[in-house]
Amino acid sequence: SQTIHQWPATLVQPVGSPLSLECTVEGTSNPNLYWYRQAAGRGLQLLFYSIGIGQISSEVPQNLSASRPQDRQFILSSKKLLLSDSGFYLCAWSVRRRGKRNEQFFGPGTRLTVL
Amino acid sequence: SQQGEEDPQALSIQEGENATMNCSYKTSINNLQWYRQNSGRGLVHLILIRSNEREKHSGRLRVTLDTSKKSSSLLITASRAADTASYFCATDAEGNTGKLIFGQGTTLQVKP
Repeated sequence: SQTIHQWPATLVQPVGSPLSLECTVEGTSNPNLYWYRQAAGRGLQLLFYSIGIGQISSEVPQNLSASRPQDRQFILSSKKLLLSDSGFYLCAWSVRRRGKRNEQFFGPGTRLTVL
Repeated sequence: SQQGEEDPQALSIQEGENATMNCSYKTSINNLQWYRQNSGRGLVHLILIRSNEREKHSGRLRVTLDTSKKSSSLLITASRAADTASYFCATDAEGNTGKLIFGQGTTLQVKP
C-alpha cells in the first residue's frame, strides 16, 4: 500500500533562517507531487507541483522553492524565512495518469512557526 | 483564483442530525471531490463525483452535483461526534497535471 511521509511534524524557526521540509512517498512510482500551504482556518493554497524528477511548477510568487531530486522525494525550501511563511504545509501525491480520476493523498503536514 | 466556495463556513449540529454542506465553483470541471480534515492533520479523500454524474453515495455520505448551477452538496446523515472536522470541496484544473483547486472549507461540529 502507498504511504506518504512528511517531516518534521512541527518546526519553529527564526526569521531569516533557512528551511527544508521533506516529503517522501512509498508504494507507488512516477507520482504527481504537490506542496500546499494552509493558513489557520482557511483552505489550501497550491504552492508547487511536480510531474517528474526535476520538473517543478510554481503556482504563486513567493519566498519558497521546491525540488524533486528523486522520483518519490519532494523538498520545500527557503533561504531566508519570513514571518508570513508561517503556516501548515501539506504534501500530497496523486497517480500520474490520463483520465478523469485524480484523487490526492495527503501527508500529515508540518506546522511551521516563524518568529 | 478561488474555484470552490463552500457554505456555510461553520456548522454546529447535534449527534444524529444530518449535516449539509454546499460548494460552488466557477469553471467547467471533469470531476469534483470532497475531502475531510481533522484538526491539525492532513486531508483525507472522501468521495469523487464525475461531471456526468448527478448523485453518488458512500456509506452515510451523499454527494450531488449540478453542473448547470456549478454547485455540489455533501450530506452526512445520522452524524456522529467523530464526524467533527473541516470539509473541503476540490475541483480539477485544466490539463493532466492532476492539480486540484480547494475551497475554503466548512467546519462541522457535531455535539454529542
